[in-house]
Amino acid sequence: GDSVTQMEGPVTLSEEAFLTINCTYTATGYPSLFWYVQYPGEGLQLLLKATKADDKGSNKGFEATYRKETTSFHLEKGSVQVSDSAVYFCALSDHGKLIFGQGTTLQVKP
Amino acid sequence: DAGVIQSPRHEVTEMGQEVTLRCKPISGHDYLFWYRQTMMRGLELLIYFNNNVPIDDSGMPEDRFSAKMPNASFSTLKIQPSEPRDSAVYFCASRSGDSNQPQHFGDGTRLSIL
Repeated sequence: GDSVTQMEGPVTLSEEAFLTINCTYTATGYPSLFWYVQYPGEGLQLLLKATKADDKGSNKGFEATYRKETTSFHLEKGSVQVSDSAVYFCALSDHGKLIFGQGTTLQVKP
Repeated sequence: DAGVIQSPRHEVTEMGQEVTLRCKPISGHDYLFWYRQTMMRGLELLIYFNNNVPIDDSGMPEDRFSAKMPNASFSTLKIQPSEPRDSAVYFCASRSGDSNQPQHFGDGTRLSIL
């Protein structure tokens, strides 16, 4: 079945560092891809999405490009802030439901 | 607009008791999802509804778990009897339209079974 694999965390960075969180997927079709973020004590929030190959989703300085050839959807941000500390989930749509990766914890230190 | 509303936010009860978790989806959303989140297993989809009808309950762990959606604005997830291994954060999410649209999550219910 379809699946999503994320890089293991936690990822610890200093403020203003460059962020990459890797995400690869396995799917039989051409799913939509999502990044969600979860802050402590809260539910998941949509960060960005891409619905077809070569689409770039972007929001709040984060971006990710749908790469069909490498089946990847890596999350990047040029300069992280302490407020970006959270758990990040990559997900794909599969027949009406979402398949989530295991989540990657990001900790940004001042 | 109000988001997805879950209640209670926290529940502590003893094993063997019945637990009922509640969810009010965003008005107009026709899909509703129940998830469970634990450190060991991550985020698991338990069941989802479309237009109040259960579509896929393959993630429901066992017969002790049941979910209902009597109308478009309310759903319950019930555990009877509860066990300590049911301790987790339970999330409800809703969505409008096709699977390209995002799901909107509630803030979850943190359940502790003693």
